[in-house]
Amino acid sequence: GQNIDQPTEMTATEGAIVQINCTYQTSGFNGLFWYQQHAGEAPTFLSYNVLDGLEEKGRFSSFLSRSKGYSYLLLKELQMKDSASYLCAVRKNDYKLSFGAGTTVTVRA
Amino acid sequence: ETGVTQTPRHLVMGMTNKKSLKCEQHLGHNAMYWYKQSAKKPLELMFVYSLEERVENNSVPSRFSPECPNSSHLFLHLHTLQPEDSALYLCASSQDFAGGLYQETQYFGPGTRLLVL
Repeated sequence: GQNIDQPTEMTATEGAIVQINCTYQTSGFNGLFWYQQHAGEAPTFLSYNVLDGLEEKGRFSSFLSRSKGYSYLLLKELQMKDSASYLCAVRKNDYKLSFGAGTTVTVRA
Repeated sequence: ETGVTQTPRHLVMGMTNKKSLKCEQHLGHNAMYWYKQSAKKPLELMFVYSLEERVENNSVPSRFSPECPNSSHLFLHLHTLQPEDSALYLCASSQDFAGGLYQETQYFGPGTRLLVL
């Protein structure tokens, strides 16, 4: 089975940095994805990690520690348009994704 | 990317109705997925098709019936639904079902917001 935990909500100020943590307990872990979903819209792919370490893509970075069952998504230089839900998803050996419930980030001016 | 389209965007149906949701991907992908998204809950995988063959039926009630006539189109046929089936139904596609994280990265459509009365 799998258990994926993320905080439900986070609030931050425009221009600041926010870190969204994701912890997981799963059999057959084989990679982790992050998606962004604006209200009423489709989830859009942000990043994936399969090896330990940090993957940087512009203002967004994602980190993975397989031994700790832990990942985070780091959003830098926050903009109002970053207000959205961020979904952590674990890929298992059967190639299927299991999603967390998502973290709603609100960026305030 | 917005290469995955879904129709209708909104649907209201009674419990005795029959309706179908349609998904089309314009990305040349080989795998397609149906997910259910309920408020404050994780996305739930319903069905997976790879090269038009169903590879996953995730214990979904038979009132949901998928159809994949070709690799670009995916349908979800609905029959005698229950109010608790009201949710956002998302379609996604990926280059392949298996083959590494790049090929398996899923791209989602905008969803169909379903309300069952």
